[in-house]
Amino acid sequence: GQQLNQSPQSMFIQEGEDVSMNCTSSSIFNTWLWYKQDPGEGPVLLIALYKAGELTSNGRLTAQFGITRKDSFLNISASIPSDVGIYFCAGSKTSYDKVIFGPGTSLSVIP
Amino acid sequence: DGGITQSPKYLFRKEGQNVTLSCEQNLNHDAMYWYRQDPGQGLRLIYYSQIVNDFQKGDIAEGYSVSREKKESFPLTVTSAQKNPTAFYLCASSGQLYGYTFGSGTRLTVV
Repeated sequence: GQQLNQSPQSMFIQEGEDVSMNCTSSSIFNTWLWYKQDPGEGPVLLIALYKAGELTSNGRLTAQFGITRKDSFLNISASIPSDVGIYFCAGSKTSYDKVIFGPGTSLSVIP
Repeated sequence: DGGITQSPKYLFRKEGQNVTLSCEQNLNHDAMYWYRQDPGQGLRLIYYSQIVNDFQKGDIAEGYSVSREKKESFPLTVTSAQKNPTAFYLCASSGQLYGYTFGSGTRLTVV
């Protein structure tokens, strides 16, 4: 079946540092999504990408839809303690397909 | 405000008992999903429903059952046949363009 790989699996960074994480797939996706899950809560959608090469920002977050349509990247600038959580990438081929989730990147921010 | 509500937040079950987790959405979404999350793990799909009165098994359906009698509601029953039910359960619904909207989860513990 389709699988997504996320790297790194976990990150420990100093407050104020920039963060980069990525997601790769063996299949082409037409939609890429990035979610954040706070401890004990459900994931919340951060950014949705619908076009190859698309670069979208949401505050300090920037995500890109890879040109091959098999990958996506999420960057967080100037990290703060509330950025702590698990970041999931997700992809789907069409708006009617089930979304496939990656295994997540766990981010810890050291004040 | 539209959203998706899961209840209860915490649930304790004795071994051999069935329990039902509630999920209600007022987003007018056709599709609804149940995921299981174990500590430090990603999301695993239990069941999903794309339309009222219809649902399909996900990757780990054994020991679980669902119903979809109303568009707004998609309850999950964890049966006694599920041998390791202690986990965090997430319900989600989806419209067409913006990925999945998740509830805040139910933490089930077997005592």
